[in-house]
Amino acid sequence: TQLLEQSPQFLSIQEGENLTVYCNSSSVFSSLQWYRQEPGEGPVLLVTVVTGGEVKKLKRLTFQFGDARKDSSLHITAAQPGDTGLYLCAGAGNYGQNFVFGPGTRLSVLP
Amino acid sequence: DAGVIQSPRHEVTEMGQEVTLRCKPISGHNSLFWYRQTMMRGLELLIYFNNNVPIDDSGMPEDRFSAKMPNASFSTLKIQPSEPRDSAVYFCASSPGGGQGLYSNQPQHFGDGTRLSIL
Repeated sequence: TQLLEQSPQFLSIQEGENLTVYCNSSSVFSSLQWYRQEPGEGPVLLVTVVTGGEVKKLKRLTFQFGDARKDSSLHITAAQPGDTGLYLCAGAGNYGQNFVFGPGTRLSVLP
Repeated sequence: DAGVIQSPRHEVTEMGQEVTLRCKPISGHNSLFWYRQTMMRGLELLIYFNNNVPIDDSGMPEDRFSAKMPNASFSTLKIQPSEPRDSAVYFCASSPGGGQGLYSNQPQHFGDGTRLSIL
């Protein structure tokens, strides 16, 4: 069984600060996705990373897939209150295993 | 462009009652997923369908849970009889591809969920 761990579990920061959240596993993933979920809504896909070492940028968000495809990070520059939400990573194993979600990092950006 | 539509948005019922959750996936999507989200266990995959056929139901907690997809535009998740521990937010998602395993880089589009409370 593959497991994804995310850290930190909770994060509260001031507007304008930078932050990094992490997604880790002991298993290799064929691809990994990051989602953001706001209260009362379903998760929304932010990015998919496929290649080890891959870096993708989405405005102020930078996503990196580890070289060994076992971990990923999400860095947010100059956080804004609109970034508040639950950030979930999700991935599927290298041998066709089913998709699993991590427990999430709950981010709160205070104005 | 309509997204995944779930109904009802909220359901409150007494234990022992039958509960039916409904989902309309995005038109043209081949895969449909049912998830359950709780604070304790996070987001758990219950079952997924590909081309209306159940592919993996290993996440379904027990026989009280059943899911059907009679056609490409409709799916139901039924709990009978319901218990208080079934209280959670249930999400339906759809994906344009296989959605799992080898096709796992396909995006999943989630509905807004059904918040289920069993008293």
